[in-house]
Formats: sequence, structure tokens, C-alpha cells
Amino acid sequence: NAGVTQTPKFRILKIGQSMTLQCAQDMNHNYMYWYRQDPGMGLKLIYYSVGAGITDKGEVPNGYNVSRSTTEDFPLRLELAAPSQTSVYFCASSPVGVNTGELFFGEGSRLTVL
Amino acid sequence: TQLLEQSPQFLSIQEGENLTVYCNSSSVFSSLQWYRQEPGEGPVLLVTVVTGGEVKKLKRLTFQFGDARKDSSLHITAAQPGDTGLYLCAGALGNEKLTFGTGTRLTIIP
Repeated sequence: NAGVTQTPKFRILKIGQSMTLQCAQDMNHNYMYWYRQDPGMGLKLIYYSVGAGITDKGEVPNGYNVSRSTTEDFPLRLELAAPSQTSVYFCASSPVGVNTGELFFGEGSRLTVL
Repeated sequence: TQLLEQSPQFLSIQEGENLTVYCNSSSVFSSLQWYRQEPGEGPVLLVTVVTGGEVKKLKRLTFQFGDARKDSSLHITAAQPGDTGLYLCAGALGNEKLTFGTGTRLTIIP
């Protein structure tokens, strides 16, 4: 039972580089989310999607982009990496939305920008 | 601006003691969830409360949703080392977005 799979688990980037964090879920969930978590803090919503072809901004979207071409995949693109993007990134999915449904999280991707 | 403030931010108590964690906001939420997160892992759902004034019990954990649906509390009775972790409340504004609180890091000392 794979659930939500994130790759890579760890990555070091230089300032100005770009990269894509991959997220895949095998539960046929329509709702998918990207959060970032700074050390010892709560999670902040970057982008979310309520279904294939539909994406929307969360609280902290600047410096990121997403796409949702399939139900299963929700990649997060970082353009021109900055030290402020050093964080742990979590992808999550939900079957019925967050009002009554839970979020299922991946194990996280730890990104350091030097 | 943080919509959901949790207190205390850190809590360290002896095994067997009781504790309460608070989650407060000026916003009204359609529902509220509590998650626990262990180091190196994603958060895992503990409970969802939907109705104002609702109380849910999960073994030694008691969750309450405020009457006005702006706040919540988590009470743990007879804390055990296995309760150690980061506790996060999260409020739903509609069905699409979940806003997380600032977190409470709990340490139970054997």
C-alpha cells in the first residue's frame, strides 16, 4: 500500500537553480496539496488541486508552480531557488475534501538551498 | 498572519501527568482536525470535530470544539512517553483548504 510517495527525500540546491519535487498517490484521491514546514513550526499551504487540470494558490505560492495533468501526480516546481525556500515539503491527498476527510501525507522532501 | 495560534508552543511534563493544548482563532471554521507528527514523518490524523461544542474521546485523549467553532482543545490524561510528538490543529475554511496551527511540541519524560 504505497499511499502518497514523494521524491526526492533530500536535496541540496544552489541559489538560482531550479528543480521539481515529485508527488504521486495511488488512492484515486481528487484533492491534492503541497505544504511547507519550517523547523518546529506548523504547515503552510503552497498550492492545492481539487482534480486533474485544476490548481489554485494557497498561503505562500510565490516562487513555486504546480501542474495536475493526471489524478495521480501533483509535481511542485521551484524556479530560481532562494535560501528562504529551505524547508521540508509535504505532499498530501484527500478523498473527499478537508471538511470531513483527512489528509494523507507523504514522508516529506527536505530541501536545502545554499 | 497566522490564523490558528496554539499554546503552549512547547510542553515538557512527567509521565502520568495531565495536560491541555489549546488552539485559538478569530475565524470560524467549518470543521477542525488534530494531527500528530513524529520526527521525519508526515502528520497523521487523530480526530475531526465538526459541530460547535462537540467533544470526542480517543482513549486518553479528549478533543473539544468551541461553541462558536473558533477554538479547540486537546486534553491528555495520564500522559505516556508514546504521546511525545508535535501536535497540530488544522481548521477547514470550506471543503478545499486546511489551515494548520503553529504547533505544540510535547515531550513526556519517563
